Amino acid sequence: GNSVTQMEGPVTLSEEAFLTINCTYTATGYPSLFWYVQYPGEGLQLLLKATKADDKGSNKGFEATYRKETTSFHLEKGSVQVSDSAVYFCALRHPNTGNQFYFGTGTSLTVIP
Amino acid sequence: NAGVTQTPKFQVLKTGQSMTLQCAQDMNHEYMSWYRQDPGMGLRLIHYSVGAGITDQGEVPNGYNVSRSTTEDFPLRLLSAAPSQTSVYFCASTQDSGGQFFGPGTRLTVL
Repeated sequence: GNSVTQMEGPVTLSEEAFLTINCTYTATGYPSLFWYVQYPGEGLQLLLKATKADDKGSNKGFEATYRKETTSFHLEKGSVQVSDSAVYFCALRHPNTGNQFYFGTGTSLTVIP
Repeated sequence: NAGVTQTPKFQVLKTGQSMTLQCAQDMNHEYMSWYRQDPGMGLRLIHYSVGAGITDQGEVPNGYNVSRSTTEDFPLRLLSAAPSQTSVYFCASTQDSGGQFFGPGTRLTVL
């Protein structure tokens, strides 16, 4: 079946450090891949997406590349800020399963000044 | 556009009580979902709907009912609340070719 695995947290970084949050997926065919961000007390917000192999999604300095050969969609940012502190969720959407979304368990990021 | 709205934001129930969590969207999306979020477990799909009059079960449907009489509204009913249903509930609406838009959530405590 379809599933998403992302790295365990929590992750604590100093401001301006480089961020990587790993995400791998299991699915047949060609799902669409997403990263969502959840700030404290709020719902999830779409951060970026990629719909086919080798696509790179980017937004607010975050990037992720859809790697079919390694079934991965790692989230990266070159220089994190305190305001990036949040929980990040990797997700996939597969048209063969009624467009249901499958979410990872989330990775908590804290950025300290 | 208001996007996805949910009411109430907070609710405390006693075991055995029933209630309805409201969800509405103004984006004319056909696909809507209900999730619950629990610590360390991410989001789990409760029920979803692919259009008015059509609903189906997700991963954890027991104890919950849904209906979809209009495109805009997708209420979630707790039939007889149990402490195991203490959670944060999110409603989401999905673009045909894009991602999901989430409501702000309802924090439910069952005593």
